[in-house]
Amino acid sequence: GAVVSQHPSRVICKSGTSVKIECRSLDFQATTMFWYRQFPKQSLMLMATSNEGSKATYEQGVEKDKFLINHASLTLSTLTVTSAHPEDSSFYICSAPWTVRRNEQFFGPGTRLTVL
Amino acid sequence: AQSVAQPEDQVNVAEGNPLTVKCTYSVSGNPYLFWYVQYPNRGLQFLLKYITGDNLVKGSYGFEAEFNKSQTSFHLKKPSALVSDSALYFCAVSPGRWPGNTGKLIFGQGTTLQVKP
Repeated sequence: GAVVSQHPSRVICKSGTSVKIECRSLDFQATTMFWYRQFPKQSLMLMATSNEGSKATYEQGVEKDKFLINHASLTLSTLTVTSAHPEDSSFYICSAPWTVRRNEQFFGPGTRLTVL
Repeated sequence: AQSVAQPEDQVNVAEGNPLTVKCTYSVSGNPYLFWYVQYPNRGLQFLLKYITGDNLVKGSYGFEAEFNKSQTSFHLKKPSALVSDSALYFCAVSPGRWPGNTGKLIFGQGTTLQVKP
């Protein structure tokens, strides 16, 4: 089956710094990827849709300048949390629809961000 | 508004007993329905999906789910629970058909399944 990886798996940073999270589709191409945010013991909230070669589409209430998304290639999307603050601490998960069976999405293992 | 509801925050069952995790949805058109499982600090793992066809769908690890259009439900079931099934379970719906639906998933709140020996 398809595999999606994320890097790093865990990051701790100081308030005010920026953090970049990578999401890669390892054995398939993904023109679209999705970024989710999950608070402890809560559901996944879709933040944005990452589109290869074009601008990301953000969900209502998500700050575009805060969460920068770049989908530079068919296998890589990045989420940059700019000027991070403690309230940005969360579990960030990406997913990609599988091109073979597009109704299946594959999720990355997630990135735990802790902002001190 | 499109939504998915999992009415139980937690389900407790004894090992060997059957389990049910409930899910109802409110989506226009003919949705695609999914169940995912999440272990602590991990991403989501796909269990099963309903696209069309038989209402009873069989998935990974012995799980199955029954699609009921009249009740707009897609409950997850397993005949005999294992301690290792203990995890967080999410029901999700993708409204419409690819590519029109853009592949977005709407998730339920999640249900913690606790299987005790």
